[in-house]
Amino acid sequence: GAVVSQHPSWVICKSGTSVKIECRSLDFQATTMFWYRQFPKQSLMLMATSNEGSKATYEQGVEKDKFLINHASLTLSTLTVTSAHPEDSSFYICSAQVGSWGYEQYFGPGTRLTVT
Amino acid sequence: AQTVTQSQPEMSVQEAETVTLSCTYDTSESDYYLFWYKQPPSRQMILVIRQEAYKQQNATENRFSVNFQKAAKSFSLKISDSQLGDAAMYFCAYTGANSKLTFGKGITLSVRP
Repeated sequence: GAVVSQHPSWVICKSGTSVKIECRSLDFQATTMFWYRQFPKQSLMLMATSNEGSKATYEQGVEKDKFLINHASLTLSTLTVTSAHPEDSSFYICSAQVGSWGYEQYFGPGTRLTVT
Repeated sequence: AQTVTQSQPEMSVQEAETVTLSCTYDTSESDYYLFWYKQPPSRQMILVIRQEAYKQQNATENRFSVNFQKAAKSFSLKISDSQLGDAAMYFCAYTGANSKLTFGKGITLSVRP
C-alpha cells in the first residue's frame, strides 16, 4: 500500500528558532500534499495545500510567512515553522494525494512540535 | 462551504457488542466522497471506510459498515463485534471537487472489556 513518512516524529526547539518538517511519499508520486495541524483531542485543521512546482495555497487565517511550504519534488513536501513560539506547539500531519482527486489520500504519522 | 458534524463527543461500547457512530454533512455538490478515519493513541490516521456519493450501496469493510442516507445527508458508521483495538478517536470526513478533506470534530470511542 501507499506509504507516507514524516521526519522528524518529534522535535523540541527553542522559541525564536525555525524548524523544518519533511513529508515524503515513499512508493508513489504525489502532485498534491496537504498539511494539517491538530491540537490534543481536537480535529484536524487544514493549513495549506502543497502542489509540486507551484506555490502553496494557504487556508484563511494561516500565516504564510510563519508556515513556509515547499513542494520540491513529486515525493517531498516540507513545512518550515519560522520564528517558532510556544503557541506553535502542536501536532502536524501531512497527507499525500494519489491522482487528481482527493478521494485517495494517505496520511503521514505526524510530527509533534514542542517549542520551549 | 461543506460542513461535517459529529455531535457526540464520546461513546462507549461493551466488547463484542455493536456501536453506531453518527455523522451528518452539508454540501451543494452532487459528486463527493465520505470517509471514516480512525486515529488511535499513536495518532496515525487510518482509513476505515470510504463511500462514493453516487453509489447507492452502503460500503462495508469486514466489521465496519456505513449507513449512507444521501437525501438526509447522513453517514453513520456501524462497528460490529467491537474489539479492544477499536478504541480510538473516529473522524467523519468529506471531500469534493477541490480535493480538500473536511473533518468533523471527532468522537472518542472506548471499549469496555
